[in-house]
Amino acid sequence: DGGITQSPKYLFRKEGQNVTLSCEQNLNHDAMYWYRQDPGQGLRLIYYSQIVNDFQKGDIAEGYSVSREKKESFPLTVTSAQKNPTAFYLCASTSGRGGSGANVLTFGAGSRLTVL
Amino acid sequence: EDQVTQSPEALRLQEGESSSLNCSYTVSGLRGLFWYRQDPGKGPEFLFTLYSAGEEKEKERLKATLTKKESFLHITAPKPEDSATYLCAVQAVSRGGGGNKLTFGTGTQLKVEL
Repeated sequence: DGGITQSPKYLFRKEGQNVTLSCEQNLNHDAMYWYRQDPGQGLRLIYYSQIVNDFQKGDIAEGYSVSREKKESFPLTVTSAQKNPTAFYLCASTSGRGGSGANVLTFGAGSRLTVL
Repeated sequence: EDQVTQSPEALRLQEGESSSLNCSYTVSGLRGLFWYRQDPGKGPEFLFTLYSAGEEKEKERLKATLTKKESFLHITAPKPEDSATYLCAVQAVSRGGGGNKLTFGTGTQLKVEL
């Protein structure tokens, strides 16, 4: 079945550590996204990529980094510069590149990061 | 700046008790309005996309409607398995920045009891 696989599902980080969240999709989608979800807040966009080897900052990119070396993969690194990293992280993808028409986001199951 | 406000924040219904969830939005040119369902600890699951005022879509006990300022998600004769958080999001007409960025509301947490 086609879909998005995020790993790990749960991750614990000590202060000062960088951690990387994995996101893999087999939907042949061009565009991929990382969102952060906090209680009482809407999903907020961290980074997105419309094509391999290219990505753009979203609304809350500070303290995060990404890469897009393969179409299927869009890993997110939460760096020590992110002051409040405890959150639920969601990876998503769409088939389009944001042209005419609205494209539906397909989400992964999420990764919950907790800072100890 | 695009904004999405969902109400109520939480809703408790008895099985079979129909109700509606509201999503009010402001956007400079609507490309699409999306409804998602999210179960605890899981990613959102797509329900509907609405593109223009007057449009309606249905799926089982759910019906989504759209006006120029808001969308409603009507739940008819809900069952306990309909319990979830329902998210609304809007996509604005591109201002040249590209991407498929959505602005999400904070969601309505629905609990359906026997």
